[in-house]
Amino acid sequence: DAGITQSPRHKVTETGTPVTLRCHQTENHRYMYWYRQDPGHGLRLIHYSYGVKDTDKGEVSDGYSVSRSKTEDFLLTLESATSSQTSVYFCAISAAARGQETQYFGPGTRLLVL
Amino acid sequence: DQQVKQNSPSLSVQEGRISILNCDYTNSMFDYFLWYKKYPAEGPTFLISISSIKDKNEDGRFTVFLNKSAKHLSLHIVPSQPGDSAVYFCAASAGYSGGGADGLTFGKGTHLIIQP
Repeated sequence: DAGITQSPRHKVTETGTPVTLRCHQTENHRYMYWYRQDPGHGLRLIHYSYGVKDTDKGEVSDGYSVSRSKTEDFLLTLESATSSQTSVYFCAISAAARGQETQYFGPGTRLLVL
Repeated sequence: DQQVKQNSPSLSVQEGRISILNCDYTNSMFDYFLWYKKYPAEGPTFLISISSIKDKNEDGRFTVFLNKSAKHLSLHIVPSQPGDSAVYFCAASAGYSGGGADGLTFGKGTHLIIQP
């Protein structure tokens, strides 16, 4: 499972409040990613990081920011949560598996914005 | 515009038979393709991948075929087992085969149901 944990696993919050989701990995992987999954959309990339303090935007980055101050932690912040950000959020790292490059995913955080 | 398309939202297959899941892509820059399996309330799990320099890759019961000219790939599962019931996602990337890079573009998924 590549040692990926996400916290919290579930969160309910109100519109307009800031929310921070945490992704933690224990295996010193360089690349980390945040995706969201919504019905009818598959998974969509929000932001990614290619090293400490090196981040870039993905397909659906509006309303989100990220920070990576140390290799093992990648934080996703919803600056002012909206109902459209109700979703399941997955963190991933890039690694090799069985000789193939892939991304390993964390268990997800289910976020409900009321 | 969807760059990775899985046109079958669901597929039902009898246990022991072959399951074939299809995926089409439009971005000719994609050169690495992956299949993931996802159970409810869990993260996606990597199944198999293929680079555009190959047309087939096998791993146990799973085989992925790539037809670059048609921009089409398929995942074959033989024989299908009850534990294979899950949502399967096709994903693609440009320049990924060296690791890292810009993230993956996913299809919407196909819900595979294996019937006893």
